[in-house]
Amino acid sequence: DAMVIQNPRYQVTQFGKPVTLSCSQTLNHNVMYWYQQKSSQAPKLLFHYYDKDFNNEADTPDNFQSRRPNTSFCFLDIRSPGLGDAAMYLCATSRSRTDSYEQYFGPGTRLTVT
Amino acid sequence: GQSLEQPSEVTAVEGAIVQINCTYQTSGFYGLSWYQQHDGGAPTFLSYNALDGLEETGRFSSFLSRSDSYGYLLLQELQMKDSASYFCAPLAAGNKLTFGGGTRVLVKP
Repeated sequence: DAMVIQNPRYQVTQFGKPVTLSCSQTLNHNVMYWYQQKSSQAPKLLFHYYDKDFNNEADTPDNFQSRRPNTSFCFLDIRSPGLGDAAMYLCATSRSRTDSYEQYFGPGTRLTVT
Repeated sequence: GQSLEQPSEVTAVEGAIVQINCTYQTSGFYGLSWYQQHDGGAPTFLSYNALDGLEETGRFSSFLSRSDSYGYLLLQELQMKDSASYFCAPLAAGNKLTFGGGTRVLVKP
């Protein structure tokens, strides 16, 4: 089945220790997104790629970076995680820019910062 | 700026009908999406309204009034498995979704 896969599902990192979360998709979708979702809150868009075109949200901290080496893979790098970065990180895709209303989400990576 | 309002929680019994209202204020509005998210799960797409009116998909329907900046999601014949959070999400400038705070629906036997 075509899908969005996130690894790992659970990640524990230490305060200030860099961490990378990964996302892959077999849908061959053009657009990939990273969202942060804290407990009982809405998903918050961090950045997205239209193909290789990177788009950063204005309020995304510089601590968060992303890479998309090819259509299928996208990475979220947190350079120096703080306690406030503990959250669920969701990767999503959409077929194209104009189909952004329908996004396919991966299961998420729950990040714990100790 | 942008604003989104939807109720935080709704409780209903199996078989009932629930309406989740969403009011929004956003620039460059294209349409309104709805997503369902079970506890611990990922959001899943339910529906999208680009035009005014009602869209029906099985037990779920979604409505949009662009002139009123208002939409709703109607859940009919509620089942226990419908217990989840429901997010309205306007699609706006830049073709980006902004998720509302979510409405937690609790279905009781």
